[in-house]
Amino acid sequence: NAGVTQTPKFRILKIGQSMTLQCTQDMNHNYMYWYRQDPGMGLKLIYYSVGAGITDKGEVPNGYNVSRSTTEDFPLRLELAAPSQTSVYFCASSYSRTSGGSQETQYFGPGTRLLVL
Amino acid sequence: SQKIEQNSEALNIQEGKTATLTCNYTNYSPAYLQWYRQDPGRGPVFLLLIRENEKEKRKERLKVTFDTTLKQSLFHITASQPADSATYLCALEVTGGGNKLTFGTGTQLKVEL
Repeated sequence: NAGVTQTPKFRILKIGQSMTLQCTQDMNHNYMYWYRQDPGMGLKLIYYSVGAGITDKGEVPNGYNVSRSTTEDFPLRLELAAPSQTSVYFCASSYSRTSGGSQETQYFGPGTRLLVL
Repeated sequence: SQKIEQNSEALNIQEGKTATLTCNYTNYSPAYLQWYRQDPGRGPVFLLLIRENEKEKRKERLKVTFDTTLKQSLFHITASQPADSATYLCALEVTGGGNKLTFGTGTQLKVEL
């Protein structure tokens, strides 16, 4: 199993450009997440998904969009890049048997480093 | 508001000593608390999970305690090694569940020879 994979590893964007950060997991996990991590800060949840076709906002969703058409993929879309979106983005996945979600281990990808200039 | 606090100052200890990291929280009633390790340039890796009805959990050289009265978790690494040098994050389930976690800012541990 490759686990959680993310592409690209690093990207420089100009203000106003758009891009999609890719995330794929091969563990058949139902839950997937997107976090951002700024220097010296904890991980902040952007969006999450409890299964294919279902997504919901996290703590810091503004400026981002997501979709979950398959169990494996959970892309994060930046439509109009801003300098405030310079960060490291982590995708994670977990498996929960219950609809309410019991706390389970989250598996993280290696991250995408994004610089908006 | 809900808040998780970890010591932002790096913890420097000598090899062989026990490292103790602290996680304090406010305005939470977590059922679970998790600890993750993060190396530079990498994603966090899960280490241990402790439930509210468990006072202590051990895994090899790692030990976690959970005091819901003090609203505090302590993370211990015994017989520390330079390879234990990393940032350690604690995480709590967000109120309302959904398997969403809120992370602390992490504490950097440096184990010196």
